[in-house]
Amino acid sequence: KAGVTQTPRYLIKTRGQQVTLSCSPISGHRSVSWYQQTPGQGLQFLFEYFSETQRNKGNFPGRFSGRQFSNSRSEMNVSTLELGDSALYLCASSPTGFGQYFGPGTRLTVT
Amino acid sequence: AQRVTQPEKLLSVFKGAPVELKCNYSYSGSPELFWYVQYSRQRLQLLLRHISRESIKGFTADLNKGETSFHLKKPFAQEEDSAMYYCALSGRGTALIFGKGTTLSVSS
Repeated sequence: KAGVTQTPRYLIKTRGQQVTLSCSPISGHRSVSWYQQTPGQGLQFLFEYFSETQRNKGNFPGRFSGRQFSNSRSEMNVSTLELGDSALYLCASSPTGFGQYFGPGTRLTVT
Repeated sequence: AQRVTQPEKLLSVFKGAPVELKCNYSYSGSPELFWYVQYSRQRLQLLLRHISRESIKGFTADLNKGETSFHLKKPFAQEEDSAMYYCALSGRGTALIFGKGTTLSVSS
């Protein structure tokens, strides 16, 4: 099976802009989770979607949002970008939500 | 508060030496514990989970609820074990709470 894929792999945006990141889970996996990884805070949970419904949400501001489509593909959106949003954004998929399989990540740089 | 602590940022050992990567957690309830590994230039991958009670690549981890620990152990380190290791906890639903990670460096 193909692994979790994320597009784009790299992004450069300026403050105030918005960005959309995409994640394609492993075929058959219905759970998609998103994480933010920074040198200072490490890996932090953003949210999880299961069968198109947000099942869990981390402690991030409302500027961070996501959605999941009927084919389980997921997108996350960050509006009004801030410098502190620069990070590696990881997507993970799982059949049930546990034992997650991670993608390679999208490196977002905000200038 | 839910928290995972990995006290060592870097652990350096010689090939053939025993390895113990420490992980302590704080959670009121019955969490599920995991170890993830990230080799150089590779994606994060699940190494093992406590509920499986299995040995992967020679690594084992035992959940000690009394000490709230989930240390990762291997009796004889190999150079290919060099990587970043993350301990993670799942308590509230399926969200993973990660520790800051420990870099394991195995030299010959």
